[in-house]
Amino acid sequence: EAGVAQSPRYKIIEKRQSVAFWCNPISGHATLYWYQQILGQGPKLLIQFQNNGVVDDSQLPKDRFSAERLKGVDSTLKIQPAKLEDSAVYLCASSLAGADRGYGYTFGSGTRLTVV
Amino acid sequence: GNSVTQMEGPVTLSEEAFLTINCTYTATGYPSLFWYVQYPGEGLQLLLKATKADDKGSNKGFEATYRKETTSFHLEKGSVQVSDSAVYFCALSDRDTDKLIFGTGTRLQVFP
Repeated sequence: EAGVAQSPRYKIIEKRQSVAFWCNPISGHATLYWYQQILGQGPKLLIQFQNNGVVDDSQLPKDRFSAERLKGVDSTLKIQPAKLEDSAVYLCASSLAGADRGYGYTFGSGTRLTVV
Repeated sequence: GNSVTQMEGPVTLSEEAFLTINCTYTATGYPSLFWYVQYPGEGLQLLLKATKADDKGSNKGFEATYRKETTSFHLEKGSVQVSDSAVYFCALSDRDTDKLIFGTGTRLQVFP
């Protein structure tokens, strides 16, 4: 089966600019996650979708970050305006039935964002 | 809250050496446990998993056993290869939120 697709792979922007990331999950996976992975750290969940509804966005900095999942398939994550501390790899993952049932997640290759 | 603690890296080994990466967890109930691997420049890949106590997950020569009594899920491999050089993440599922909680990762470097 095709994996989780993410684009772009790399992005360099200046602080205060805006940026958007795109994710296409595995077909049929109802649950979609965006994680932020800062260099040297484990991934941190930003937002979790179930179909096109938000399940958990408690860790999303809503003053600058936004995400949507229209039609319950593709998703976009936006940062506006970006700060230096947003430099990280942004990982998208999808799951058939949720982590707790042992399915785990399938991750995309990620988008490496550098804010200068 | 739920959390995962991994041994700090880097772990540096010669090829064919025995590998152990320690992982312990704190959780309410009985979470599923996972090991993910991240090769340089790539995303996270599921390496193995265990969904209940005493289960052993295995893949590509790696093994980990779900130990409820010690709340541990240590990763082992009998003979590492240079190609195993990567960052390894231990994770658990949170039953309340159905999301994965990751440890900080352990970098493994294998030299010929």
